[in-house]
Amino acid sequence: GDSVTQMEGPVTLSEEAFLTINCTYTATGYPSLFWYVQYPGEGLQLLLKATKADDKGSNKGFEATYRKETTSFHLEKGSVQVSDSAVYFCALMNTGFQKLVFGTGTRLLVSP
Amino acid sequence: NAGVTQTPKFQVLKTGQSMTLQCAQDMNHEYMSWYRQDPGMGLRLIHYSVGAGITDQGEVPNGYNVSRSTTEDFPLRLLSAAPSQTSVYFCASSRLGDEQFFGPGTRLTVL
Repeated sequence: GDSVTQMEGPVTLSEEAFLTINCTYTATGYPSLFWYVQYPGEGLQLLLKATKADDKGSNKGFEATYRKETTSFHLEKGSVQVSDSAVYFCALMNTGFQKLVFGTGTRLLVSP
Repeated sequence: NAGVTQTPKFQVLKTGQSMTLQCAQDMNHEYMSWYRQDPGMGLRLIHYSVGAGITDQGEVPNGYNVSRSTTEDFPLRLLSAAPSQTSVYFCASSRLGDEQFFGPGTRLTVL
């Protein structure tokens, strides 16, 4: 079945450092890919998405490119802030279905 | 627009008790779903619905019941709570084919 694999955390960075969180997927067909963010004590919010190969999703300085050849959707940000500390989830949704398949989440801790 | 609302925020149950977690949305979304979030396991789908009167099982449905009598509401019932159901529960809704919006979650502890 469909699955998503994320790098284990926590990822600990200093403010203004470069961030990469790896995400790879296994799916039949042509899924849409998502990054969700969960701030402490809150629900999940959509951070960005990409619906087809080579699409780049971006929001709030975060970016991720849908790479079909490597089945990856790595999350990047050039300069993290303390306020980016959260748990980040990679997810896929296969064509014609509405069900999201999530990775296990990666906790990011940014210190001043 | 309140979005997706969930009640209660926190709940403690004893083994064997029953309860209903409430979920409502005011966006006229067809699709609604319930997930549970456990440490190291991400979010797993419990049940989902593509419209009023239509429900189906997700990845981990055992021990949970749902119904969808209206477009707005999608309650999740625990008939006989077990410690293994201690988790954080999230409800989500969307238009079919569109992004999902999540509620703030219910933290459930079963003793």
